[in-house]
Amino acid sequence: AQSVTQPDIHITVSEGASLELRCNYSYGATPYLFWYVQSPGQGLQLLLKYFSGDTLVQGIKGFEAEFKRSQSSFNLRKPSVHWSDAAEYFCAVSGGGNKLTFGTGTQLKVEL
Amino acid sequence: EAGVAQSPRYKIIEKRQSVAFWCNPISGHATLYWYQQILGQGPKLLIQFQNNGVVDDSQLPKDRFSAERLKGVDSTLKIQPAKLEDSAVYLCASSYGTSGGSSTDTQYFGPGTRLTVL
Repeated sequence: AQSVTQPDIHITVSEGASLELRCNYSYGATPYLFWYVQSPGQGLQLLLKYFSGDTLVQGIKGFEAEFKRSQSSFNLRKPSVHWSDAAEYFCAVSGGGNKLTFGTGTQLKVEL
Repeated sequence: EAGVAQSPRYKIIEKRQSVAFWCNPISGHATLYWYQQILGQGPKLLIQFQNNGVVDDSQLPKDRFSAERLKGVDSTLKIQPAKLEDSAVYLCASSYGTSGGSSTDTQYFGPGTRLTVL
């Protein structure tokens, strides 16, 4: 069975600082990996996705993520955080039939 | 392009009452999903439709939850009777996929319906 672990429930960073959100997955075959962001009262918005090829994936809003098969990780990064990035971030893995399994999320707070 | 529409946005009911949620996917999207997101958790897939057929409903509590997508477009999710533990945000998503949902299809999410059961 596929699963996702996001070890950090809450993270606080200062505006302008760099950000890394951790994600570890468990899946028996080649994983398809996603990062979604959810702002209060909003649905989930796709930031980026990894299917194959280059292990460094660029997404929207200046985010990127790196797939590391040896570590079963797909960490999300941003070099300089903006106050508007405050939200909840979900990592997800997809198996057969496009069934998404989400992690429990990381709540990001940005200090001005 | 219009996104996934859901209504109502908020609903408060007493336990043992019934409730229904509506979802209209992005035009042309064959696959539709209903997720349950309990506070502090990630979304959990309840049911997946391919056109008007069910692809996966393994995590749907069928004794109280039902869903339909009769014409292969919009969908309704019903809870009857509701329990306190059903308090959650119910998210609808859609993707283009036409063959049971390719693992590479991007899912687009609606804003959700927040259900509170008292």
